[in-house]
Formats: sequence, structure tokens, C-alpha cells
Amino acid sequence: DGGITQSPKYLFRKEGQNVTLSCEQNLNHDAMYWYRQDPGQGLRLIYYSQIVNDFQKGDIAEGYSVSREKKESFPLTVTSAQKNPTAFYLCASSPVAGTANTEAFFGQGTRLTVV
Amino acid sequence: QKEVEQDPGPLSVPEGAIVSLNCTYSNSAFQYFMWYRQYSRKGPELLMYTYSSGNKEDGRFTAQVDKSSKYISLFIRDSQPSDSATYLCAMTFGGGGNKLTFGTGTQLKVEL
Repeated sequence: DGGITQSPKYLFRKEGQNVTLSCEQNLNHDAMYWYRQDPGQGLRLIYYSQIVNDFQKGDIAEGYSVSREKKESFPLTVTSAQKNPTAFYLCASSPVAGTANTEAFFGQGTRLTVV
Repeated sequence: QKEVEQDPGPLSVPEGAIVSLNCTYSNSAFQYFMWYRQYSRKGPELLMYTYSSGNKEDGRFTAQVDKSSKYISLFIRDSQPSDSATYLCAMTFGGGGNKLTFGTGTQLKVEL
């Protein structure tokens, strides 16, 4: 089955720790994205990548880091510098860059809680 | 002012009603418009995708785009309890790999 897989589904982090959220896609999409969702605020873009080995900051990149070493994978690290990391994190991908085909498909999300 | 405005609801309707969900936006450069449905604690799933102005129908769902008014709508006919979810509008300038700008989502409840 083609799709986007996020893991883990639930993640608990102690204050001061870095954690990494996994996102893998087998849709052969060039572009991948990380969003954060908080109640009443919709989806906010953290980072996005249009091709391997390249990525750009979104609207709320502070306290986060990403890598894009493989087309299929776009892991997100939530660092200790992120002051309010408790949220629902969503990974998405969309088809080939440079075309008009822009639909984005989402994974099932990771709920991160700081304890 | 947010780029995309969407009434958060909640919107409660009886089963069988026609539901109208709307978003307004401020940037006239947006060309591609999407509606996503999100069930609680799940990722959003793409419902409708339209380019520029006009209507698109898919089963019980109709998406409308009015670029002159910067206004998009999603209509759900014969609404069912299984339609109860949060509906998110999203839009982008165009070109593959373009980042999406989302509305905050409207929570819909269809009651028996």
C-alpha cells in the first residue's frame, strides 16, 4: 500500500530532551512537509523540502531541525530549544516539484507530550 | 489578519441536511484550493481539489471557488453522522511542491 507512515503514534518527552519523529513515504513524491497542529490554530508549517538534501524553514521553525538524506524520509527533531513542544505533528508529501500537481497527502500524525 | 479565514464552528446539523462550509482568503495569487477532512486524532484526508474558479462535484460533495470574491465553499448533500469531523480548507500558489496555507478548520457534527 502506498502512503505516508509516521512513527511513533504517541511520544512522551522529558523537558530538556531532544526527540526525533519519523516520516517515511513510498509515493515517490519529491516534496515533504512537517506541520504542527494546536487546538484553534489549524496547521502551521514547520519545515518543508522540495528535493533531497534541501529544505526550507516554514512559519514556526525555531526549536526544530530536519534532514532530507533520502527521498523517502524526512525526520523531524524537536529540540530542547522548542519552548512549547506539546502538540500533534503531521507529516505530508506532494508530487513532483515543478508541476501543477499540488495535492498534499498526510500521515496519521504523532502526538508529542512533554512530561 | 490571517491569510485564510475559516469559521471554527462547531456547526451542528441534523442528518440529511445540506452543509455549507466556507473560507475566505486575502492573497489573490492563490490558484489551487483543497478541502481536507480530519477525524479526531487522525491525519487530514484530501476530499476535493480544484484549480482556479469554478465548481467541482464528487458524489455528495461540491467544491466552489470564486476567485473574484476570494471565497471558497464546500457543500455536503444528504449529510451523514459519518461526516462528523473537522473540515480544513487549504490553498497554494501553484507548482508542485508548493507549501499549503491552511484555514483553522470547521468542526462539523451531524446528528441523528
